[in-house]
Amino acid sequence: GAGVSQSPSNKVTEKGKDVELRCDPISGHTALYWYRQSLGQGLEFLIYFQGNSAPDKSGLPSDRFSAERTGGSVSTLTIQRTQQEDSAVYLCASSQRNSGANVLTFGAGSRLTVL
Amino acid sequence: GDSVTQMEGPVTLSEEAFLTINCTYTATGYPSLFWYVQYPGEGLQLLLKATKADDKGSNKGFEATYRKETTSFHLEKGSVQVSDSAVYFCALRGTQGGSEKLVFGKGTKLTVNP
Repeated sequence: GAGVSQSPSNKVTEKGKDVELRCDPISGHTALYWYRQSLGQGLEFLIYFQGNSAPDKSGLPSDRFSAERTGGSVSTLTIQRTQQEDSAVYLCASSQRNSGANVLTFGAGSRLTVL
Repeated sequence: GDSVTQMEGPVTLSEEAFLTINCTYTATGYPSLFWYVQYPGEGLQLLLKATKADDKGSNKGFEATYRKETTSFHLEKGSVQVSDSAVYFCALRGTQGGSEKLVFGKGTKLTVNP
């Protein structure tokens, strides 16, 4: 596609429920990233996928968070048993693997509100 | 680990004022450095970048020079406009361990008044 597409754009859920956030990267981009943007906290790295390599999961805040990328394209970020502190904007980005300076193209984000 | 520190905002300026947003970094090796911008209601987008020491990135009147001796990448613009109001993020891509993740600063909100 022309850009990075994320859905849903807004999600309100109750504490304890599971949520899934979807990211459709730019066609041909082999690298995919998830970040979390919280008020006053900047951009927090969550996970990074590159082709068929094992993902870099070093930023996932707890085992309630997981992500997968099927077929090297679409990615789903899953948050289980949501907590109020999970409320944030979840940003997905993609880039070309061979981009020397690794420029990321970001989606518009999915705003998650946990009541 | 790699980290980025940028000046805390918010920053409020009048139109045509000079802008500096400080950014310093901690990283091993020779990281690539970036400034991303987030305009109100829009997604993050790349503003400029520099990939080696003494490189100067520039775009839309903004400039930043990669200073390895001071581990800095300060963003400057000689004359800001109302349309420059946005949140600015400094970021680096390190080389240690082969990780290609970008590490971001916390962002600096800029408001330019007419």
